[in-house]
Amino acid sequence: SQQGEEDPQALSIQEGENATMNCSYKTSINNLQWYRQNSGRGLVHLILIRSNEREKHSGRLRVTLDTSKKSSSLLITASRAADTASYFCATKLRGAQKLVFGQGTRLTINP
Amino acid sequence: KAGVTQTPRYLIKTRGQQVTLSCSPISGHRSVSWYQQTPGQGLQFLFEYFSETQRNKGNFPGRFSGRQFSNSRSEMNVSTLELGDSALYLCASSLSGRAGLTDTQYFGPGTRLTVL
Repeated sequence: SQQGEEDPQALSIQEGENATMNCSYKTSINNLQWYRQNSGRGLVHLILIRSNEREKHSGRLRVTLDTSKKSSSLLITASRAADTASYFCATKLRGAQKLVFGQGTRLTINP
Repeated sequence: KAGVTQTPRYLIKTRGQQVTLSCSPISGHRSVSWYQQTPGQGLQFLFEYFSETQRNKGNFPGRFSGRQFSNSRSEMNVSTLELGDSALYLCASSLSGRAGLTDTQYFGPGTRLTVL
C-alpha cells in the first residue's frame, strides 16, 4: 500500500494565489521529498526535508514536516501558470533504499 | 552535467513479447532505481541497483528484471508482456544510494510503454 496520502487530490486556484498541498505517511522516515511532474513526463525534484528538520524554504516553496503527526505540507506562494503540474510527496523509509510515493495532487493554476 | 537519460522514450509492443529499457545515470552516480507509474497504481518501486548488485526489489512478478553495468548504466527487462504492463517507466539515479538523510534521487524523462 502507498506510504503517503496526499490531500487534496486536485486543486484549482487563480494565478497569484498560494497553493497548499498536504501529505501524510505511516512509518518512520529518513527524509521526505517533494517532486513535480508535468503531463506524464519525468519527475523534477523540488525539495528534500530531513526527519530532524521542521521547515525548509526554496524560492517560492515552503515545506514543513511534523514527524509527530507524520505529515508534511508544501506551500507554493504567488502561483504562476507554469506551476500547473502534479505534485508528489515521497518518503524514504529508515533502512530502505527506495522512495514511496503518494498518489499526488493535481494543481491547476488559472490565468 | 547531463541528467538522467532513458531510451527509448516511447515503445509499443504486443502481448507476449519482451522489452528492454535503458537508463544512463548522472555521471558519478552509482545507484539506479526503477519505478513504474500507472494511473491506477501510481508510482511504484520496482528495484534498485548499486555497484552492479540489486539491493532492493519491489512487489513485482519475476517477469520484471534488471541489471546494472560497471559504468552504472542500467537496463530493465519485462518478459511475456501483459496489457497491464502499459505504463511510464521511470529511472532515477542518486550519488551513493545510501539510506542517508540527504540522498536525492534524480529522475529521467521516462519510457512510455504501450502493450497492445
